[in-house]
Amino acid sequence: GDSVTQMEGPVTLSEEAFLTINCTYTATGYPSLFWYVQYPGEGLQLLLKATKADDKGSNKGFEATYRKETTSFHLEKGSVQVSDSAVYFCALKGGSNYKLTFGKGTLLTVNP
Amino acid sequence: GAGVSQTPSNKVTEKGKYVELRCDPISGHTALYWYRQSLGQGPEFLIYFQGTGAADDSGLPNDRFFAVRPEGSVSTLKIQRTERGDSAMYLCASSRSAGLAGGPGTGELFFGEGSRLTVL
Repeated sequence: GDSVTQMEGPVTLSEEAFLTINCTYTATGYPSLFWYVQYPGEGLQLLLKATKADDKGSNKGFEATYRKETTSFHLEKGSVQVSDSAVYFCALKGGSNYKLTFGKGTLLTVNP
Repeated sequence: GAGVSQTPSNKVTEKGKYVELRCDPISGHTALYWYRQSLGQGPEFLIYFQGTGAADDSGLPNDRFFAVRPEGSVSTLKIQRTERGDSAMYLCASSRSAGLAGGPGTGELFFGEGSRLTVL
């Protein structure tokens, strides 16, 4: 079945550092890929998505590129801020269904 | 309302008791989902409603779990004869109607803050 494996946390960075959170997936067909973020005390919210190979999703300075050849969707940001501290979840949705399959989440803490 | 609302935010119960968790989706969202998140894990799909009917309940772990959405808006997740292993965060999400941008086929879900269930 579908599965998502993402980088174990926690990740601690200083402000303005470069961020990468790795995500790889296993799925049949052509899934859509997502990053969701959960800020402290809030519900999960969609950060970015990509629906086909080589698509790049981007939002709030974060980017991720759908790499079919490596089955990856790594999240990157060039310069993190304290306000980016949150838990980040990689997820996929199979082509014809409505379920999201999530990774375990990666806790990011950004220190001033 | 402005967002997905879940009540209670915290529920502590004893093993064997019955529990109801409520979800009020974003106004106008016809698709509603329940997920369960255990400690250290990502959310796991339980059930999906399109309108009043459960379109996919394949994630419900056993027959002690049941969910309803009688008027196509508010949903209640019901757990009978609770067990310690049911302790988790229960998340509700909603999305726009099928066929619209951001609809259920797009994976763009709006989540509530969750109901944390602890079974002693």
